[in-house]
Amino acid sequence: QVQLVQSGAEVKKPGASVKVSCKASGYTFSNYGIHWVRQAPGQRPEWMGWINAGNGNTKYSQKFQGRVTITRDTSATTAYMELSSLRSEDTAVYYCARRNDYSNHFDYWGQGTLVTVSS
Amino acid sequence: SYELTQPPSVSVSPGQTARITCSGDTLPKQYAYWYQQKPGQAPVVVIYKDSERPSGIPERFSGSSSGTTVTLTISGVQAEDEADYYCQSPDSSGAWVFGGGTSLTVL
Repeated sequence: QVQLVQSGAEVKKPGASVKVSCKASGYTFSNYGIHWVRQAPGQRPEWMGWINAGNGNTKYSQKFQGRVTITRDTSATTAYMELSSLRSEDTAVYYCARRNDYSNHFDYWGQGTLVTVSS
Repeated sequence: SYELTQPPSVSVSPGQTARITCSGDTLPKQYAYWYQQKPGQAPVVVIYKDSERPSGIPERFSGSSSGTTVTLTISGVQAEDEADYYCQSPDSSGAWVFGGGTSLTVL
């Protein structure tokens, strides 16, 4: 069965960086894109960007351009999202999600990783 | 930046019909997707491409589109349907946008 398993919660200080991993299993990793979505407490989900797991091409939300880097390791079937220059407003649950190529929706999601930014 | 607008809350009694709308300028040209999210859980799609229902989603969930507005309809609402609902659609650049969310309360 398809699973996306994310790394554990993180606590970071303002100005630091965080790297969250998303381990995929149960399907051919390189055949699907992985998207990253974050959700601050009580807020709507916010799309950050995605990576084509096959060729490594990326696209980022303009809001995070320059601060976010999404990569993947095909041998480890794992995608990564690194966010730099953290500030308190970046405190959120970060999700990875697989996009279904046929229907275009995000059909499988990771369990979420809470990133807390606090001095 | 592109916005998708939803009502903040909708309340219905069990067995009644709930309708949740989502408005956006590019919806006539782009499909919309609806996600259900319960506390502490990741979102789950209930409708894709405006009106398609994924396998495993109850038939009481349906979607429709008219002009700049898409609508999620839940017929015969059950207590388990109480959740936040978000619409999602790409903007003109292909970036994914989520609506502000609608909290569905089952009275």
